[in-house]
Amino acid sequence: DARVTQTPRHKVTEMGQEVTMRCQPILGHNTVFWYRQTMMQGLELLAYFRNRAPLDDSGMPKDRFSAEMPDATLATLKIQPSEPRDSAVYFCASGFSGIGDTQYFGPGTRLTVL
Amino acid sequence: TQLLEQSPQFLSIQEGENLTVYCNSSSVFSSLQWYRQEPGEGPVLLVTVVTGGEVKKLKRLTFQFGDARKDSSLHITAAQPGDTGLYLCAGGNLNTGKLIFGQGTTLQVKP
Repeated sequence: DARVTQTPRHKVTEMGQEVTMRCQPILGHNTVFWYRQTMMQGLELLAYFRNRAPLDDSGMPKDRFSAEMPDATLATLKIQPSEPRDSAVYFCASGFSGIGDTQYFGPGTRLTVL
Repeated sequence: TQLLEQSPQFLSIQEGENLTVYCNSSSVFSSLQWYRQEPGEGPVLLVTVVTGGEVKKLKRLTFQFGDARKDSSLHITAAQPGDTGLYLCAGGNLNTGKLIFGQGTTLQVKP
């Protein structure tokens, strides 16, 4: 049963600290998405990769957030320095752009910045 | 900017009742997807509709894509407590693979 995996599931950190979230997309998928979910804003797209190349990161605060795909099996989202307003659930999703736009979501990383 | 508006935002009903959730936009989408999300989990795909006017049924759930591919509805017949969750609609762009999500409808079905 192929699934998107995310680590860690929960992260509590203090303001100013660096946070790194990891995602393993489903094998064979060529698109990866990072979303942030809050009660107020719902699901917001932060970044989007196709074939490991970043295509759109317009939803991401550039000064503190960065997203990379060092290889096809790993995507990372980094926040440095973290702020309390970054507290949210961060989801990774993967898909295959050649056969439509269905996305498969991971279980999310719940981030709390104190 | 493409936007999707979902209504209602919250719905609390008794077991056995019927309900409809709406998803509307002024933009045309290549597909419309419905996801269901439970607490502590990621959204899980329920259905994808791609043709204007298309109707899909999944047991007690009926999904419809508007003729102009700008809106969609989800109808649940005889709701059960197990249907409780957050329902999200998402409009797709086949060229980019990106999805635009609605704000979601939180459904509570009381026994």
